[in-house]
Amino acid sequence: GEEVAQTPKHLVRGEGQKAKLYCAPIKGHSYVFWYQQVLKNEFKFLISFQNENVFDETGMPKERFSAKCLPNSPCSLEIQATKLEDSAVYFCASSQQIQPQHFGDGTRLSIL
Amino acid sequence: QKEVEQDPGPLSVPEGAIVSLNCTYSNSAFQYFMWYRQYSRKGPELLMYTYSSGNKEDGRFTAQVDKSSKYISLFIRDSQPSDSATYLCAMSANSGAGSYQLTFGKGTKLSVIP
Repeated sequence: GEEVAQTPKHLVRGEGQKAKLYCAPIKGHSYVFWYQQVLKNEFKFLISFQNENVFDETGMPKERFSAKCLPNSPCSLEIQATKLEDSAVYFCASSQQIQPQHFGDGTRLSIL
Repeated sequence: QKEVEQDPGPLSVPEGAIVSLNCTYSNSAFQYFMWYRQYSRKGPELLMYTYSSGNKEDGRFTAQVDKSSKYISLFIRDSQPSDSATYLCAMSANSGAGSYQLTFGKGTKLSVIP
């Protein structure tokens, strides 16, 4: 498609539950990036992919976060055993030639 | 000192004014420079993209990059109420550790008053 599509728009989980977020990049874009926006306008890079391969995972918390981009499927970001501090808006971005990045409208994750 | 500094505002201007937004940065490895506009509850929307130094114009928007001063600017001419949003600068390196990750400014909240 012409836009980065993120689902769901809003996800509510109890502390300790699993959360899974999805991102369909713009058609023809090879790179996918995930960012976490915690405080207003504080963006934190998590991970990037080039096609199905991890490109840069230096921002990923090692323990509870994982992500995948598989052929012919939306990319996903999964958080196991969620904590209150995981409450944030998670943005996905895609790009054709690494820059510039085009963003989706995010998934708002609320941990209760 | 944060890698990217941006005055959060808020900035309030009358309709038709020229708006000037800017960011300074400290990482001399930054080569890609972007301006995004973000409306409430929406994702950042790409406005301008510049590689390395120079000026770029697109309609009412002009982006300038001065790498010698580590300073970037976005000018909006003939501002409209629909320009009211938060403007984010973002930049990345193209080599070395963490290349291509975007580092964002904190955003400037702009209101254009009719």
